[in-house]
Amino acid sequence: DTEVTQTPKHLVMGMTNKKSLKCEQHMGHRAMYWYKQKAKKPPELMFVYSYEKLSINESVPSRFSPECPNSSLLNLHLHALQPEDSALYLCASSQQGGSGELFFGEGSRLTVL
Amino acid sequence: GQNIDQPTEMTATEGAIVQINCTYQTSGFNGLFWYQQHAGEAPTFLSYNVLDGLEEKGRFSSFLSRSKGYSYLLLKELQMKDSASYLCAVRSFYGGATNKLIFGTGTLLAVQP
Repeated sequence: DTEVTQTPKHLVMGMTNKKSLKCEQHMGHRAMYWYKQKAKKPPELMFVYSYEKLSINESVPSRFSPECPNSSLLNLHLHALQPEDSALYLCASSQQGGSGELFFGEGSRLTVL
Repeated sequence: GQNIDQPTEMTATEGAIVQINCTYQTSGFNGLFWYQQHAGEAPTFLSYNVLDGLEEKGRFSSFLSRSKGYSYLLLKELQMKDSASYLCAVRSFYGGATNKLIFGTGTLLAVQP
């Protein structure tokens, strides 16, 4: 199983809503990542979890709240978002050693109205 | 901080060879990756270099010079399906067991008949 699964694939929410994006991998990877990607731009790193602990927060606004309940799951909780937060949110995982390439999920396309 | 630059767009002909360059400035360099991303899809891993030199993988090769902060991706025998964005990504050591993967600006390659 070399898949990273993200749900939902599409999400539309208002600025006052609370929603969550979910990510799951069963490759035994101990590093998991959230990236944000706007149209025609490269992915931008948001958060890195290493061994279920938050290791990197790239100065992301607090309206985005990550959570890693166990080594297979990664969530991104969304609250009071702005229209400019509309983007593709990509989850990825990697091994800690070796080449450690990232395996990406298909992404969750978020639209904030 | 990190600076990773690529040409924005390139055009090439089916059957030809194309070279996509990437220059970077970073501290704690711990490997360079190339990813391919088709429109609306997740990035997929193409190649990894951590030592200087050329890595060959079928129609794709990647070169790294750490002293020059320079890499290139070489695509041979171009096919129409190679039309995609090509992302250079630099991994840097962050501390503990954590690495950080930052993407360059991306190069949109159009393969023409």
